[in-house]
Amino acid sequence: SQTIHQWPATLVQPVGSPLSLECTVEGTSNPNLYWYRQAAGRGLQLLFYSVGIGQISSEVPQNLSASRPQDRQFILSSKKLLLSDSGFYLCAWSVRRVAGAEAFFGQGTRLTVV
Amino acid sequence: KNQVEQSPQSLIILEGKNCTLQCNYTVSPFSNLRWYKQDTGRGPVSLTIMTFSENTKSNGRYTATLDADTKQSSLHITASQLSDSASYICVVSDESGGYNKLIFGAGTRLAVHP
Repeated sequence: SQTIHQWPATLVQPVGSPLSLECTVEGTSNPNLYWYRQAAGRGLQLLFYSVGIGQISSEVPQNLSASRPQDRQFILSSKKLLLSDSGFYLCAWSVRRVAGAEAFFGQGTRLTVV
Repeated sequence: KNQVEQSPQSLIILEGKNCTLQCNYTVSPFSNLRWYKQDTGRGPVSLTIMTFSENTKSNGRYTATLDADTKQSSLHITASQLSDSASYICVVSDESGGYNKLIFGAGTRLAVHP
């Protein structure tokens, strides 16, 4: 069966420090991968999606970047965190090129920038 | 602008009672509509997925309806249980770009009291 791992679960970082959140998927190949952010009281917002190794697309301009060094690994990074980067970050995957494919989410990372 | 609006923002019901949550969307193009359940601090879990040709879909005590003409959907929960306490999120998918572009509503926070 397919599983998605996301870590760490919680993170407190000072302003200006770097960030690296990692997400890995098991039990599937060539997945579409996604990073979402959820601000308090708001819906999830798509930050990045990837349809293959090294292929990253961004939905919104921001202080963050993403990379996909391996087929089932998706990394969210920042060189210098801002207070506004605080939020709940979720990684997700779906089967590529299948209409109505289910999107499976990780357990999320609660990031607090202080 | 593509939007997904949900109502009510929050809801309190007694255990055993039924409730209906509403979703209006303006997303275009439209591929399918999904309802997710999200426990606090966890990733969303899918309840139902409906294409524009489907009017209703059930998953246990959860029944979703879709009116693609008026761009409205509802999620009906019957015989509520304490474990139903969570946020329920309406999500519209645009897959015209070859990936799941999920547009999330802000959710309805449901509290089931004994």
